Amino acid sequence: GAGVSQSPSNKVTEKGKDVELRCDPISGHTALYWYRQRLGQGLEFLIYFQGNSAPDKSGLPSDRFSAERTGESVSTLTIQRTQQEDSAVYLCASSLMTSGLYEQYFGPGTRLTVT
Amino acid sequence: AQSVSQHNHHVILSEAASLELGCNYSYGGTVNLFWYVQYPGQHLQLLLKYFSGDPLVKGIKGFEAEFIKSKFSFNLRKPSVQWSDTAEYFCAVKVYNNNDMRFGAGTRLTVKP
Repeated sequence: GAGVSQSPSNKVTEKGKDVELRCDPISGHTALYWYRQRLGQGLEFLIYFQGNSAPDKSGLPSDRFSAERTGESVSTLTIQRTQQEDSAVYLCASSLMTSGLYEQYFGPGTRLTVT
Repeated sequence: AQSVSQHNHHVILSEAASLELGCNYSYGGTVNLFWYVQYPGQHLQLLLKYFSGDPLVKGIKGFEAEFIKSKFSFNLRKPSVQWSDTAEYFCAVKVYNNNDMRFGAGTRLTVKP
């Protein structure tokens, strides 16, 4: 009965380095979301995957951010040439379907610190 | 710009006090509304949601929220809080047929025993 898992839980990186964050959704959940939460702020939508459809990348803040998902399994969020403003908690959520009728289940997040 | 506003950043109450947390949004059209809660050290979890029908929705742990369309509001209420309600509460809005879920900045609730 595993929930959404994310790794690593914490990541400290130097400015300019690339980082890769991983999300394992709940088995059978076709929809997967990535969010960013900066300190003291709400969740900021980044990208959404639904099955094998083209992802909705409308929330990605710059071309340094990209994400992939193979089918309905693991997703990775990659940030290239990290900047200090990328420091945040990155949350992943999955749901049975994209419809709002289905609850989003959140992972514990990855806390990224760019020094 | 379209947004979700939570007016209170930090609320401090004593046990048994009544709670109301404000949430306003600026989207037109059909919306789905949510309140999520994050207890200390735990994941975000759904407290309650509104899609259609009765604008007063009831969630877990005695929470309820009322959707007032004319005011673009979805305030969260609980008649008598407990120490275990100490958490951060997030209001969220999903525009119908849109993948984007917009969250408010959150309200931190501290309940003193």
